[in-house]
Amino acid sequence: NAGVTQTPKFRVLKTGQSMTLLCAQDMNHEYMYWYRQDPGMGLRLIHYSVGEGTTAKGEVPDGYNVSRLKKQNFLLGLESAAPSQTSVYFCASSYPVGQGFNYGYTFGSGTRLTVV
Amino acid sequence: ELKVEQNPLFLSMQEGKNYTIYCNYSTTSDRLYWYRQDPGKSLESLFVLLSNGAVKQEGRLMASLDTKARLSTLHITAAVHDLSATYFCAVDGASGSRLTFGEGTQLTVNP
Repeated sequence: NAGVTQTPKFRVLKTGQSMTLLCAQDMNHEYMYWYRQDPGMGLRLIHYSVGEGTTAKGEVPDGYNVSRLKKQNFLLGLESAAPSQTSVYFCASSYPVGQGFNYGYTFGSGTRLTVV
Repeated sequence: ELKVEQNPLFLSMQEGKNYTIYCNYSTTSDRLYWYRQDPGKSLESLFVLLSNGAVKQEGRLMASLDTKARLSTLHITAAVHDLSATYFCAVDGASGSRLTFGEGTQLTVNP
């Protein structure tokens, strides 16, 4: 039972390069999220999706784009990486609140990104 | 905008002692989550608190929720070294579609 899988786990980018982080979940969750974690700041929401084909901005969306073409996948793109995007990125998924008894969010293992 | 504040942010305690971590949030919500994170690892779900007055306990950790005061507490009883980690509280927004996290409490339990 894989849960939420993130790839890659580590990446080093040069300023200006682009990349895509992939998040895949096998729990049939409707909602998916991308967070970034920086020291002393907890996790901050970048973008999220409440269903296939939908996306919405979170707290810190600038410099990122997302797509949810399939229910099980949520992609996070950096078009032109900047050093300020050096962070640990976590993907999560959940059921909508009130749907069944499965409250709670499942997190992936994280992607450690360094932009030099 | 929902804001979540934890205190203390850093906590160093001796084994065998008791302590409480506090989590305050700014807008109405009935769902509060506590997570544990070890260095370099992902988040491990500890508790999900779904209603006012909810209390849950697991081992040496007990969490409670007071939705009227917009306050949750994580109480540590007779701390042991294995509890050393960073603890986060997080709150669902009113729409229930996303989590807002506190800054985290870095707990160190010393022998």
